Amino acid sequence: EPEVTQTPSHQVTQMGQEVILRCVPISNHLYFYWYRQILGQKVEFLVSFYNNEISEKSEIFDDQFSVERPDGSNFTLKIRSTKLEDSAMYFCASSDWASGANVLTFGAGSRLTVL
Amino acid sequence: AQKVTQAQTEISVVEKEDVTLDCVYETRDTTYYLFWYKQPPSGELVFLIRRNSFDEQNEISGRYSWNFQKSTSSFNFTITASQVVDSAVYFCALSDSGNTGKLIFGQGTTLQVKP
Repeated sequence: EPEVTQTPSHQVTQMGQEVILRCVPISNHLYFYWYRQILGQKVEFLVSFYNNEISEKSEIFDDQFSVERPDGSNFTLKIRSTKLEDSAMYFCASSDWASGANVLTFGAGSRLTVL
Repeated sequence: AQKVTQAQTEISVVEKEDVTLDCVYETRDTTYYLFWYKQPPSGELVFLIRRNSFDEQNEISGRYSWNFQKSTSSFNFTITASQVVDSAVYFCALSDSGNTGKLIFGQGTTLQVKP
């Protein structure tokens, strides 16, 4: 079964450092997303991306965050200057039009620890 | 504003018991979608079901069943004859009719099924 692949599975970084989280969405999907889950809390929407541009973003997704689809397969989330409160599990997801853009297939997540 | 409430933080049952996970939602939209996702200990988010606001028929899939009642804004999930492998965090989520893929998640219910 097709899956969304995320790397790295776990990253530890120092506060103020830049981090890039990578995702390979399902190949025929057109919509891409990032969500995050702070430990023990609910999953929160960060951003949705379609047709090479952001279609919606949350209040969490401030100027420190950016997304990019640098080629035909990868979808990345960059945090420019990490803060302690950025420590969380970050989930990438993708969806297609046929099954409904909001039927998301999530990756296994990338755990970010900011020290 | 949209909101999802899962009042049960943790539920513990013994294998073979039936268990119902509650979900109450708030939205001003007339067209919306409701979801359940499972998060096993491995951490990924697994899609279980999507239901649109115009379809109030209950759905059964094996040991899983869902009861959608617009009158009470609830979308409850029942596991019949629970198994240890059902142990996970279960999230209820809500999205509007748009195709941004923005899901509003509840806080999640941790289900522990003991042998």
